[in-house]
Amino acid sequence: AQSVAQPEDQVNVAEGNPLTVKCTYSVSGNPYLFWYVQYPNRGLQFLLKYITGDNLVKGSYGFEAEFNKSQTSFHLKKPSALVSDSALYFCAVRETGFKTIFGAGTRLFVKA
Amino acid sequence: EAGVTQFPSHSVIEKGQTVTLRCDPISGHDNLYWYRRVMGKEIKFLLHFVKESKQDESGMPNNRFLAERTGGTYSTLKVQPAELEDSGVYFCASSQVSTGKLEQYFGPGTRLTVT
Repeated sequence: AQSVAQPEDQVNVAEGNPLTVKCTYSVSGNPYLFWYVQYPNRGLQFLLKYITGDNLVKGSYGFEAEFNKSQTSFHLKKPSALVSDSALYFCAVRETGFKTIFGAGTRLFVKA
Repeated sequence: EAGVTQFPSHSVIEKGQTVTLRCDPISGHDNLYWYRRVMGKEIKFLLHFVKESKQDESGMPNNRFLAERTGGTYSTLKVQPAELEDSGVYFCASSQVSTGKLEQYFGPGTRLTVT
C-alpha cells in the first residue's frame, strides 16, 4: 500500500539559514511525488513535483526537492529561509491512477 | 481564473444532524476530488470524480457519506447523520489532465465541527 511519512511535526529555522523538510514514501511502482504548502485559512498550494528525469526539481518561491530512489525520499529544501515561508507543508505521492496519498504535514517556523 | 471554492467555510452541527458541503472546481476541470483532514493528521483521500462519474470512492468512510456531481460541474458531499468523528476539515480539489499538469488545485476547505 502507498504511504507517505513526514517524520517531523515541526521544523524551526532562522531566517537566512537553509531549510529541509523531510519526506519518505512507499509505493510499489514508480511514484509521482508532490509538495504542497498551506498558509493559514487557505487551501493547499502546489509547490513542485517529480515525475521523471532529473532528480533535483525546482519549484515555486525558491524551493527545490531531491528525489532519491534508493532511500525512497523526496526532501524539500530551500537555501535561504524567509519568515514568509512559515506555513504547513505536505508531501504527497501518486502511483497509478489519480488517488493521491498525503503525509501528516510538517509545520515550518522561520524566526527573524 | 477563479480558483476552487468551497461553501460553507465553517459549519457547526449537532450529532445526528445533516450537513451538505459544496465545492465548485475550476471551470473546465473534469477531475474533482474530496479529501478530509482530521485532528492535524494526514489528509485522507475520500473520492474522485471524472466529470459526473465516481471514478474512485475507496476512501469514503461509510454509507453516511454521499457525494454527488450532477452535470459534472459542482459537487456536494452530504453527511447524514453526522457523528462526532466526522469533525475535521474537508478539502476539495480539481485538476485537468488534458493540460498535462498532474498537480491538483485545492479549495480553502470547510471546517466541520460536530458537537
